[in-house]
Amino acid sequence: GENVEQHPSTLSVQEGDSAVIKCTYSDSASNYFPWYKQELGKRPQLIIDIRSNVGEKKDQRIAVTLNKTAKHFSLHITETQPEDSAVYFCAASMGFQKLVFGTGTRLLVSP
Amino acid sequence: DAGVIQSPRHEVTEMGQEVTLRCKPISGHDYLFWYRQTMMRGLELLIYFNNNVPIDDSGMPEDRFSAKMPNASFSTLKIQPSEPRDSAVYFCASSLGYSNQPQHFGDGTRLSIL
Repeated sequence: GENVEQHPSTLSVQEGDSAVIKCTYSDSASNYFPWYKQELGKRPQLIIDIRSNVGEKKDQRIAVTLNKTAKHFSLHITETQPEDSAVYFCAASMGFQKLVFGTGTRLLVSP
Repeated sequence: DAGVIQSPRHEVTEMGQEVTLRCKPISGHDYLFWYRQTMMRGLELLIYFNNNVPIDDSGMPEDRFSAKMPNASFSTLKIQPSEPRDSAVYFCASSLGYSNQPQHFGDGTRLSIL
């Protein structure tokens, strides 16, 4: 089955810096890659997703890139703000149903 | 839209008791998912339904766990008998499958088995 690895487990940046979180997946048939943000005690919320027919997608300060050959995808957050502090999860699936999640990255943005 | 609604938000019970978690998906969504989140194992898919039919229950940890979806607007996850290692946050999520829409999560049930 699919296996998703996520790095780093913890990331500390200064406000205004960029943050990059990387994930690798094992199943070359996977074609859907969402990213979720989870604040402490809250539910995971989708922030951006990418499908395998696209190499990059951007939404304001957030972007995701996908390298199908290398089987890895990354989340890029520019101009980080304290409210970006949360745990971020990547996931992969073939189709849109059976998501396999990474282990999460705790992002801390210091003012 | 009210979003995915889960109840209860918190549950504390003693080992051996039956626990029932409830979920109301977003109206019109045809997929429903149950996840478990722990520090050790992260976010794991337990089971998912399509049009009220269980499609994949390979993530259900053992026979003590069961899930049902009697209609399009309600699902339950039952643990009987409960054990301390079942303590976790259980999330329900739903999605609209035909247009490949993403999954939307409920607020979760924090379960503590003493």
